[in-house]
Amino acid sequence: DAGVTQSPTHLIKTRGQQVTLRCSPKSGHDTVSWYQQALGQGPQFIFQYYEEEERQRGNFPDRFSGHQFPNYSSELNVNALLLGDSALYLCASIRILRDIGGEQETQYFGPGTRLLVL
Amino acid sequence: DAKTTQPTSMDCAEGRAANLPCNHSTISGNEYVYWYRQIHSQGPQYIIHGLKNNETNEMASLIITEDRKSSTLILPHATLRDTAVYYCIVRGLNSTSGTYKYIFGTGTRLKVLA
Repeated sequence: DAGVTQSPTHLIKTRGQQVTLRCSPKSGHDTVSWYQQALGQGPQFIFQYYEEEERQRGNFPDRFSGHQFPNYSSELNVNALLLGDSALYLCASIRILRDIGGEQETQYFGPGTRLLVL
Repeated sequence: DAKTTQPTSMDCAEGRAANLPCNHSTISGNEYVYWYRQIHSQGPQYIIHGLKNNETNEMASLIITEDRKSSTLILPHATLRDTAVYYCIVRGLNSTSGTYKYIFGTGTRLKVLA
């Protein structure tokens, strides 16, 4: 069973350009979240996709957009890149287990895409 | 959003137990505590989670205080490969969307020494 995969692994862009990052979730996972992790910081939540729709969003500008496909894979798009967008971009796919204790959700992260904006 | 507080860094001798504390004094009754770790330049790895009771799996044990305001992650026999940043997260509910959100802090940098 393949884990969460992301492509590309590394990317270099210049200011003002646009970038698309891709994520394939684990088999059987239908929900995908995206995070941005700046150097020395913890991951910051960007947004989450479920059933091809954005379900919730963190404090990121509209330059950050996404998409989820029928096969549950997802893309993160960033327009008008800024130097400050340089970071590790992480995708997480989510498994939800429902039992008498409630809803238990576990995120499984991919290896990330390291984006450098020059 | 319930916030967590962790020490910035800790050292542990190889083979000894590593005890990583986390404070979450504003946690709500239905919020879970999750632990992840991140080895350099890799994606975070799920370790364990719990609500009220102590939990144990093949990787670690999670001890949650009775008032749920703090917890401790225990790696029973730390190895050099356990050197990583460990994140304690309280999973909060987004009341607007009805979905869960995870807020990562800066974590504890654990260094296991030979």
